[in-house]
Amino acid sequence: QVQLVQSGAEVKKPGASVRVSCKASGYTFNTYYMHWVRQAPGQGLEWMGLINPSGGSTTYAQRLQGRVTMTRNTSTTTVYMELSSLRSEDTAVYYCASNSGSYRPFDYWGQGTLVTVSS
Amino acid sequence: EIVMTQSPATLSVSPGERATLSCRASQSVSSNLAWYQQKPGQAPRLLIYGASTRATGIPARFSGSGSGTEFTLSITSLQSEDSAVYYCQQYNNWPPEDTFGQGTKLQI
Repeated sequence: QVQLVQSGAEVKKPGASVRVSCKASGYTFNTYYMHWVRQAPGQGLEWMGLINPSGGSTTYAQRLQGRVTMTRNTSTTTVYMELSSLRSEDTAVYYCASNSGSYRPFDYWGQGTLVTVSS
Repeated sequence: EIVMTQSPATLSVSPGERATLSCRASQSVSSNLAWYQQKPGQAPRLLIYGASTRATGIPARFSGSGSGTEFTLSITSLQSEDSAVYYCQQYNNWPPEDTFGQGTKLQI
């Protein structure tokens, strides 16, 4: 069955960077886009961007342009999301979620990774 | 930019009754609308896509309807386990920036 397993919780200081991983299994890695969605405490869902594992092309949310980078390792079927210049407002649970292509819903979700930004 | 607006923000319903949740798009999204359920401490789960198609394993108590700008998620025979926040998502615009509604909290 499809599984997306994310790395563990992180605590970072303002100005630092964080990298969260998402290991995919149970399907052909290159055939599903991977998205990153975050959720601040008590808030709704915010789309951050996507990566197409087949080729590595990325699209990022405008508000995060310049601070977010998504990469993948096809040999380990793992996708990474790095967010730099962290501020307190970046404290959130970060989810990876996959879908089967453009104009499709998000079929599968990782368990989430809590990133806390605090001095 | 498409803005998704859900109502009500919070809904309290008794067990066994029916809940109706609404989602409105600021412009037509055709039938490219999904519903997700999120329980506390869990990731969202896909319930409905294509406005009315249940995802794998979703019971028939959950149904979706609508097209264009007005959508509804109905849940019948409510159970305590249905307590959650429900989000709608449009995927008619791509990439899906600002894709989610703000959620409806359903209390049983």
